[in-house]
Amino acid sequence: HSALTQPPSASGTPGQRVTISCSGSSSNIGSHGVNWYQQLPGTAPKLLIYGGNQRPSGVPDRFSGSKSGTSASLAISGLRSEDEAEYYCAAWDDSLIGLFGGGTKLTVL
Amino acid sequence: EVQLVQSGGGLVQPGGSQRLSCAASGFNVSFNYMTWVRQAPGKGLEWVSVIYYDGRTYYADSVKGRFTVSRDISKNTLYLQMSSLRVDDTAVYYCASPPISVDGVIDEYWGQGTLVTVSS
Repeated sequence: HSALTQPPSASGTPGQRVTISCSGSSSNIGSHGVNWYQQLPGTAPKLLIYGGNQRPSGVPDRFSGSKSGTSASLAISGLRSEDEAEYYCAAWDDSLIGLFGGGTKLTVL
Repeated sequence: EVQLVQSGGGLVQPGGSQRLSCAASGFNVSFNYMTWVRQAPGKGLEWVSVIYYDGRTYYADSVKGRFTVSRDISKNTLYLQMSSLRVDDTAVYYCASPPISVDGVIDEYWGQGTLVTVSS
């Protein structure tokens, strides 16, 4: 089972809107909701988006998720310096195993 | 308060075994599902295993046949029994809940992570 595909890096300036993509297949993203995680160095991942476009309590609405076919995207609007982190997408596969993307390092310039 | 507190881990020789524990409070580990995720040093997240509410278990190909996930409902604790450990199993291991609602707060809860180092 192949991992989901993310760009290794992304960047933006404060206040800008950035998007991070995640590509999969019909058996995972095409059939299931996508979760997005933010991970700061030395800490456990934090859930940002679940089920494709739902935000856990406390996650600001600057973060949003979307999906089209076998690809998904995380959008961050009003970029802040504290958004600099590693971002991962995740999805279940029809085979009932989980898959993560390789991660995207977001740099705030 | 919802918490996942992990224990176990440390240094183990190649071919050896180790058991990780994940004690939950504030919710039941038998609810829906629980997962194990690992992260090798300097690498990305890798999904390891899941145990569903009905006891069904699934594993990543990389650990199938070597790792076993289980739970003790009376102790509200999740376990990961790891055997035939290899150097490339070296990673920080996390247990995680699904997104759950507790007292109106929806979130996904993760353990603090525990480092397993496989080396001679």
